[in-house]
Amino acid sequence: GAVVSQHPSWVICKSGTSVKIECRSLDFQATTMFWYRQFPKQSLMLMATSNEGSKATYEQGVEKDKFLINHASLTLSTLTVTSAHPEDSSFYICSARASEGVGETQYFGPGTRLLVL
Amino acid sequence: KQEVTQIPAALSVPEGENLVLNCSFTDSAIYNLQWFRQDPGKGLTSLLLIQSSQREQTSGRLNASLDKSSGRSTLYIAASQPGDSATYLCAVIGPNAGKSTFGDGTTLTVKP
Repeated sequence: GAVVSQHPSWVICKSGTSVKIECRSLDFQATTMFWYRQFPKQSLMLMATSNEGSKATYEQGVEKDKFLINHASLTLSTLTVTSAHPEDSSFYICSARASEGVGETQYFGPGTRLLVL
Repeated sequence: KQEVTQIPAALSVPEGENLVLNCSFTDSAIYNLQWFRQDPGKGLTSLLLIQSSQREQTSGRLNASLDKSSGRSTLYIAASQPGDSATYLCAVIGPNAGKSTFGDGTTLTVKP
């Protein structure tokens, strides 16, 4: 089946630094990718929808200047947490919507756990 | 706005018991529904995907059903094992394979 990877799987950083998380569709093209966030003991919440070649659409309450999303190719979307703070510590998961050939469905990445000290 | 509810929030059963996890959603205009397993501190493991035109899917000891008209899905686990202990998440994917809405999950503990 289709595979989505995320890198890194784990990251620890100091407060104030920026962290970039990559989401790649390994064997299919994804015109749309979604970014989710999961706080401890909570479910996943959609942060933003990333469309290849255009600006991301952010959900209400998500700061677009803090969570920068770039979807420069059909197989890669990046989420950059700028000036990270401890409250940004969370589990970030992406999903990719397959284009033609694989069937219209979504495939989820394994997630990236961010800890901001 | 789609809302997904999972009941119960937590469940503890003895090994070998059959069990049912419930998921309900408010908007029946879905593309498909997916059940995931999440172990503590880990990512999502996809268990079953049911297309909106399907009624059920089976994989091993797992069976998931979908009733779009009533906005419900169930995940049936047969002959539960301690290794089944995890949080089970239900996700409803919107029209045109759009964004997913997750339930809060059911945390299952299977006691030896």
